[in-house]
Amino acid sequence: EVQLVESGGGLVQPGGSLRISCAASGFTFTTYTMNWVRQAPGKALEWVSSISSSSADIYYADSVKGRFTISRDNSKSSLFLQLHSLRAEDTGVYFCARDQAISPRPPWDAFDLWGQGTMVTVSS
Amino acid sequence: DIQMTQSPSTLSASVGDRVTITCRASQSVWSWLAWYQRKPGKAPKLLIYRASMLQRGVPSRFSASGSGTEFILTINSLQPDDFATYYCQQYDTFPYTFGQGTKLEIK
Repeated sequence: EVQLVESGGGLVQPGGSLRISCAASGFTFTTYTMNWVRQAPGKALEWVSSISSSSADIYYADSVKGRFTISRDNSKSSLFLQLHSLRAEDTGVYFCARDQAISPRPPWDAFDLWGQGTMVTVSS
Repeated sequence: DIQMTQSPSTLSASVGDRVTITCRASQSVWSWLAWYQRKPGKAPKLLIYRASMLQRGVPSRFSASGSGTEFILTINSLQPDDFATYYCQQYDTFPYTFGQGTKLEIK
């Protein structure tokens, strides 16, 4: 089955760190650009970060730049997001999403496959 | 950053109705625009990509049009399963940005 499954979310104190993961299966992970998108409670979807198939191209939202790090392990079909210096406004559901374009470089395309999300709560 | 503005924010309609949702970009995104459906507890679902291309498996009652800065999502003959929140997203330029969402409610 083609799917993405996130894990690693939880409760963390402000200023803390967390690493969330996304396990891909059912498709050739190595050929796709991958993304993280989050949604705070009651808020809109927010793009967080993108990483190309080879990890050569990486992009971040300004709101997380310098605090979050996206990475991938193609040998394990896994995507990661390391979250540092967490703030209350980072609370939300974090989704991994696959870009449907099979292209090593931008421009890319829309997100055709999403995981169910993992909840990150930043609170003391 | 490119701002995406959806209207209306909330839309009340009945089963069988035809509804339209508008998305405006603060600058041209050409046709690099997607529409997603989001239901509580479920993953977002891609409906439309490249402004007007229907994603495989999405019912044909969904359609979309537009280019540049103005885009429209149309749902014909609303079904009970369609009541959800809809988001547009531009992927022309990083940072990618989403609209604030349109919640489609049952009247």
